[in-house]
Amino acid sequence: AQTVTQSQPEMSVQEAETVTLSCTYDTSESNYYLFWYKQPPSRQMILVIRQEAYKQQNATENRFSVNFQKAAKSFSLKISDSQLGDTAMYFCALGTGGAQKLVFGQGTRLTINP
Amino acid sequence: NAGVTQTPKFQVLKTGQSMTLQCAQDMNHNSMYWYRQDPGMGLRLIYYSASEGTTDKGEVPNGYNVSRLNKREFSLRLESAAPSQTSVYFCASSHRGGDQPQHFGDGTRLSIL
Repeated sequence: AQTVTQSQPEMSVQEAETVTLSCTYDTSESNYYLFWYKQPPSRQMILVIRQEAYKQQNATENRFSVNFQKAAKSFSLKISDSQLGDTAMYFCALGTGGAQKLVFGQGTRLTINP
Repeated sequence: NAGVTQTPKFQVLKTGQSMTLQCAQDMNHNSMYWYRQDPGMGLRLIYYSASEGTTDKGEVPNGYNVSRLNKREFSLRLESAAPSQTSVYFCASSHRGGDQPQHFGDGTRLSIL
């Protein structure tokens, strides 16, 4: 069975600071994908970044980057120069299989303070 | 672009009533999914359809049925609603392939009294 654990229920930082959200996962699959989704108060689920497990290079998308440690089964999200619009719930998700069945973590509520 | 459209956005049911949640996507995606999100938790997969004509159980399928009506539409049915099914339901779609991101609808908030 696949599991995803986010150990930080809530985090709060000041605008322009850098923040790192933690995620660990477990799977017996050799081919899998990892995702970070953002859910603002509007309730929409928005893809932030994705990582293919077979790629050693960490994914980056503008201010968002990941630290993928495959042996440790760790997949953290770093947000640089945080903005008020980054305030949201952030979910780590593990996808396996060709049909991409996603397993989500419990989420981290991130608040960016002015 | 409409993306993934879910109807209705809100619904209140009495225990034992039946209900069908509708989902349609206009992105020509092969795969579609239904999730539920309970307070303080991440999304959990109920059912998915890898391609038109196929459906499979996810993590929490009990009490639900699905129909992949065509490539665009994927409906979720509660035959006899129970209070434990009070939740926010999300439909998603994606191209086939494990690396493809899922695109989500805005969700349906369902309350069972």
